[in-house]
Amino acid sequence: DQQVKQNSPSLSVQEGRISILNCDYTNSMFDYFLWYKKYPAEGPTFLISISSIKDKNEDGRFTVFLNKSAKHLSLHIVPSQPGDSAVYFCAASALGGNNDMRFGAGTRLTVKP
Amino acid sequence: DAGVIQSPRHEVTEMGQEVTLRCKPISGHNSLFWYRQTMMRGLELLIYFNNNVPIDDSGMPEDRFSAKMPNASFSTLKIQPSEPRDSAVYFCASGASGEGGAKNIQYFGAGTRLSVL
Repeated sequence: DQQVKQNSPSLSVQEGRISILNCDYTNSMFDYFLWYKKYPAEGPTFLISISSIKDKNEDGRFTVFLNKSAKHLSLHIVPSQPGDSAVYFCAASALGGNNDMRFGAGTRLTVKP
Repeated sequence: DAGVIQSPRHEVTEMGQEVTLRCKPISGHNSLFWYRQTMMRGLELLIYFNNNVPIDDSGMPEDRFSAKMPNASFSTLKIQPSEPRDSAVYFCASGASGEGGAKNIQYFGAGTRLSVL
């Protein structure tokens, strides 16, 4: 049961352009959402998060948007840089829960110089 | 802190052998998670512990898989007997559940790449 879905396994963009990674979820109990970034041979690292009381959270070049009615979130990277090339995982959890989290399958972003 | 430490980094074994993966969480974290990453299913949660107690093991694929957390600084994931379809990267993560902004952020180890021949 995939409660968090990333329907695009890969995305390729030109350096300097915007990267938009999408994520959908099905469980209405989720109220906290995170994006993780993973380089080869390393574990995922936390990138940015958003709680359900907000619809946008920005941190430098990274912005996460949340559309609760559509159960959809997206990560925008502007401008994209070659060092952003990695696999990005969307994750969701319930703040009032036991801290467990559900991850999407990941989207491989390639930023071309 | 050195972060979450997993060992071994790579494990190659033959079908039918027992495999034990190890994890040392970040000191002070009270939640520990085991994940498996495969091409088909991405990151799957296998089991997680809160305060050393298993909370949800519904993600454990079969009885061949077992996990323990004897104390706050150590956990193991065991596969016995191992099968070729168990080949994957296994991640351990830890986190701090409770009040505060750090809640729900999990910190991952570098993973163990398991190959069962």
